[in-house]
Amino acid sequence: GQQLNQSPQSMFIQEGEDVSMNCTSSSIFNTWLWYKQDPGEGPVLLIALYKAGELTSNGRLTAQFGITRKDSFLNISASIPSDVGIYFCAGLQGGSEKLVFGKGMKLTVNP
Amino acid sequence: DAGVIQSPRHEVTEMGQEVTLRCKPISGHDYLFWYRQTMMRGLELLIYFNNNVPIDDSGMPEDRFSAKMPNASFSTLKIQPSEPRDSAVYFCASSNSGFLRPQHFGDGTRLSIL
Repeated sequence: GQQLNQSPQSMFIQEGEDVSMNCTSSSIFNTWLWYKQDPGEGPVLLIALYKAGELTSNGRLTAQFGITRKDSFLNISASIPSDVGIYFCAGLQGGSEKLVFGKGMKLTVNP
Repeated sequence: DAGVIQSPRHEVTEMGQEVTLRCKPISGHDYLFWYRQTMMRGLELLIYFNNNVPIDDSGMPEDRFSAKMPNASFSTLKIQPSEPRDSAVYFCASSNSGFLRPQHFGDGTRLSIL
């Protein structure tokens, strides 16, 4: 099935650093979502983006819906240990309820 | 507000046994989704329902898998007979109507088939 290309696959950073991750596709999406998954739990929605070019913040998180509608970015500023987890991008195409997921980015934050 | 509730959280059973996973969506949500997550394949959509009706089951791996939604507050995913390659974490998610509404996930069932 269709996949989103999410990069990088993993990152190791020091507490206090900023981190960026992105997601690309060869297809257009109408909605971009960013989820975080902690061990033993389900993905939790962080940010939802609905319009091309939209820039949305949620605390230290900022995400953007690419102008081409084929990509999205998530930035985390001033990382803290609890930011550790796996971050997934997901997209919805027009007329579909089927979320397409990226493979995830595993973030490790060293105190 | 209660989120999506799945049971059991963990299931260990022997190959060939029937396995039933359960899900209670968020009240008022009219879409329900079943996913499977593995290291190799990531998150895969198996099937989804709208107003209790199965809409797309193209992700169901084979006939051993079946899903039902007898009412708006309950769904099951059944595997019969189970095989070791079915071992994975199975998630249920729900959302409100409308193509732009985000899905909310349960905490999953970790299934191990020996």
